[in-house]
Amino acid sequence: EAGVVQSPRYKIIEKKQPVAFWCNPISGHNTLYWYRQNLGQGPELLIRYENEEAVDDSQLPKDRFSAERLKGVDSTLKIQPAELGDSAVYLCASSLGVTTGELFFGEGSRLTVL
Amino acid sequence: GEDVEQSLFLSVREGDSSVINCTYTDSSSTYLYWYKQEPGAGLQLLTYIFSNMDMKQDQRLTVLLNKKDKHLSLRIADTQTGDSAIYFCAEIGRSSNTGKLIFGQGTTLQVKP
Repeated sequence: EAGVVQSPRYKIIEKKQPVAFWCNPISGHNTLYWYRQNLGQGPELLIRYENEEAVDDSQLPKDRFSAERLKGVDSTLKIQPAELGDSAVYLCASSLGVTTGELFFGEGSRLTVL
Repeated sequence: GEDVEQSLFLSVREGDSSVINCTYTDSSSTYLYWYKQEPGAGLQLLTYIFSNMDMKQDQRLTVLLNKKDKHLSLRIADTQTGDSAIYFCAEIGRSSNTGKLIFGQGTTLQVKP
């Protein structure tokens, strides 16, 4: 069974440039999460989707971040414009539901903003 | 508010036992989790414990839960070099229907041969 797939693995951009990350969850997983992991910290939830609906986006900085999950499968996370403080690893995860915390994580997309 | 605290670093010798500790604040937490993150990889669920349990054992892993003190620990018996990784404690609250996991900052386990 394929795991959660993310791309790109690494991205280096200059500040004020846009960037986008893509995630393909495990087949059949209706719940999809985007987490941000700063260096030396645990992951922090940015947004959670149930199928194509964003049901928890309270931690998403909506002035520059946007996300979508068209057709309830793949998802993209966009930052425009990027700031120096956005440098982090962006992790995508999926699960069968929200009743337990068994999340399956991708390898992450490491963003460096110069 | 919800908060999870862990010590940052632990170093042990191969073959010894490792004990990683965690404290949490949400007394309504229904499940508590241990995730493992190897270098350059995403997090992987190791084990979890339901809040009405005191202990759970899974092969070399033993999870102890002290609800009164809001303290969770992970013991790894016969620690191997392959156990070197960052270990995250996480909680999910009963009051939350969002499935929102709150992670600690992670404990780096270094296993010396």
